[in-house]
Amino acid sequence: QSALTQPASVSGSPGQSVTISCTGTSSDVGGYKYVSWYQQHPDKVPKLLIYDVNNRPSGISDRFSASKSGNTASLIISGLQAEDEADYYCCSYTSDSTLVFGGGTKVTVL
Amino acid sequence: EVQLEESGGRVVRPGGSLRVSCTASGFKFDDYGLTWVRQVPGKGLQWVAGINWSGHSRIYADSVKGRFTISRDNAKNSLFLEMNSLRVEDTAFYYCAKDYVVSNGAPLQFDSWGQGTLVTVSS
Repeated sequence: QSALTQPASVSGSPGQSVTISCTGTSSDVGGYKYVSWYQQHPDKVPKLLIYDVNNRPSGISDRFSASKSGNTASLIISGLQAEDEADYYCCSYTSDSTLVFGGGTKVTVL
Repeated sequence: EVQLEESGGRVVRPGGSLRVSCTASGFKFDDYGLTWVRQVPGKGLQWVAGINWSGHSRIYADSVKGRFTISRDNAKNSLFLEMNSLRVEDTAFYYCAKDYVVSNGAPLQFDSWGQGTLVTVSS
């Protein structure tokens, strides 16, 4: 159950778009539709942004979108805003019938 | 409004045992799978264990398998994590979280989280 691989940090200016990658294997990200993304602000609990690879729960801004290609999932934040500065985690179901998170990516708004 | 509240975290010696609890309200408890996720302060999220709505399906991370037991009491809207043979590396905030959808299987994606309870394993 190795953690999924995410970049430690990404940054962008307000209004720009940033993409966070989440790389696994065919036994997790590449093999299942159960990939989710979470946003966590400092000293706050995680918040579900994306489920089933590319679906947004109600109430989540359409500035957040996601996709998957092969063993890599991606979260795209469009029209970057100051409030988007947070940590982001991907999560996937695995062939061992377990779940694995990515290491997390810190998004900085310049 | 969905609410999840963890309790029971404290300082415990290596090799010791502890049970943490999560009390839920605001949703039909016995429709949803639940999970425990932990986070070392300042570090990333780590999935620990999950349980389906009935309690008959339970899954564990390799790092806790054989030491931790997840269970639930649907009559009391409560989720539990029994932790034995605790190690220093088990020190973390423990969050309970609710599955996003109603299903028969273990929970996979989580739309509501508690505030966490801190478990510290130290001599």
